[in-house]
Amino acid sequence: GQQLNQSPQSMFIQEGEDVSMNCTSSSIFNTWLWYKQDPGEGPVLLIALYKAGELTSNGRLTAQFGITRKDSFLNISASIPSDVGIYFCAGQLGYALNFGKGTSLLVTP
Amino acid sequence: GAVVSQHPSRVICKSGTSVKIECRSLDFQATTMFWYRQFPKQSLMLMATSNEGSKATYEQGVEKDKFLINHASLTLSTLTVTSAHPEDSSFYICSALTSSSYNEQFFGPGTRLTVL
Repeated sequence: GQQLNQSPQSMFIQEGEDVSMNCTSSSIFNTWLWYKQDPGEGPVLLIALYKAGELTSNGRLTAQFGITRKDSFLNISASIPSDVGIYFCAGQLGYALNFGKGTSLLVTP
Repeated sequence: GAVVSQHPSRVICKSGTSVKIECRSLDFQATTMFWYRQFPKQSLMLMATSNEGSKATYEQGVEKDKFLINHASLTLSTLTVTSAHPEDSSFYICSALTSSSYNEQFFGPGTRLTVL
């Protein structure tokens, strides 16, 4: 499958700061998904986006499905230490998921 | 949400032996499950699609004779790593496809395989 371009690769921020990460693709997708993975565990779905242009929030998380269907971003507001982890975007067309390379987030108190 | 379990959570084996990993959907039926492999600090790479009652579909570059997949029931898929070698050491994660119209996948917690 295709691997998506996800940036930044890593972020090191202070507690309370906002975070933004994004994914781009050369292909269009019908669904964009954002996952968080803690060390030694499987990914957990944070937000799912099903329509181009859609903007969806889940608590402090906000994500948007790009209008071209080739990109998506995830924002985390007022970060807290438990936000630490690796965030993956995934584009879906049909059943298959295509993952980005991940953004490693470190939050210092 | 739907729950997917994997067993074992971690396994250490000797080179040349075979290891079986189970993936179960606990509160829903899944006709389709997926197996992913994840190397350290890398993304999830799809290995194969497991279909209940039929042969698995493997991604390019994945050896079907080495990674045997059996989708025995609507709640269980197994991945057997045959004649394991140190380069097979990795984090193996399964996901199960729900019947929702959004083709949602729920992921298991992963299995850490270490081949000595």
